[in-house]
Amino acid sequence: DTGVSQNPRHKITKRGQNVTFRCDPISEHNRLYWYRQTLGQGPEFLTYFQNEAQLEKSRLLSDRFSAERPKGSFSTLEIQRTEQGDSAMYLCASSEGSEAFFGQGTRLTVV
Amino acid sequence: DAKTTQPPSMDCAEGRAANLPCNHSTISGNEYVYWYRQIHSQGPQYIIHGLKNNETNEMASLIITEDRKSSTLILPHATLRDTAVYYCILVGKSSGDKLTFGTGTRLAVRP
Repeated sequence: DTGVSQNPRHKITKRGQNVTFRCDPISEHNRLYWYRQTLGQGPEFLTYFQNEAQLEKSRLLSDRFSAERPKGSFSTLEIQRTEQGDSAMYLCASSEGSEAFFGQGTRLTVV
Repeated sequence: DAKTTQPPSMDCAEGRAANLPCNHSTISGNEYVYWYRQIHSQGPQYIIHGLKNNETNEMASLIITEDRKSSTLILPHATLRDTAVYYCILVGKSSGDKLTFGTGTRLAVRP
């Protein structure tokens, strides 16, 4: 297992379409996090899971966003009815202790 | 509402030590000081963390003042590959270890 894997790496979609991103964490990491990063800013926390339980959601996570982690393994982040303001890098991280390991992110462009 | 303050940019010469400061005057007793860095187009990478004692690992040293209101990350022999944005983050162990990034310090290492 070489690290946190995110797919796709890039996604271009038309406004109003739905998109889904996938994150495969490091095996046996019980915590999984989603962050969003826009140009020139640090990553912003969206949500996190402890195993399959979603324990916290940021107010940034509007009702158009939903995240799942079935069986406590991989996770998906879905954005419905995308808007241009959703254009960003979406980062996934996993951890089992003090150190979080990040994937390379999925860059979403909404046109 | 980042709880840390960092200079927006710094530079240093290759081979010299890079000292990156961070102020966190409102730190709570249960909050750890974490440092991550983000190289262009990659996900953040963990560097080091500490509570109140100085810490050292293969990447860097972390010096925390006795009152814990500030800290310094030291890269002892900076290389061109250390050019990145460095984030100083306070993490409370009751918050699920989620990371609240600020805008960080952009470090440029000069040849």
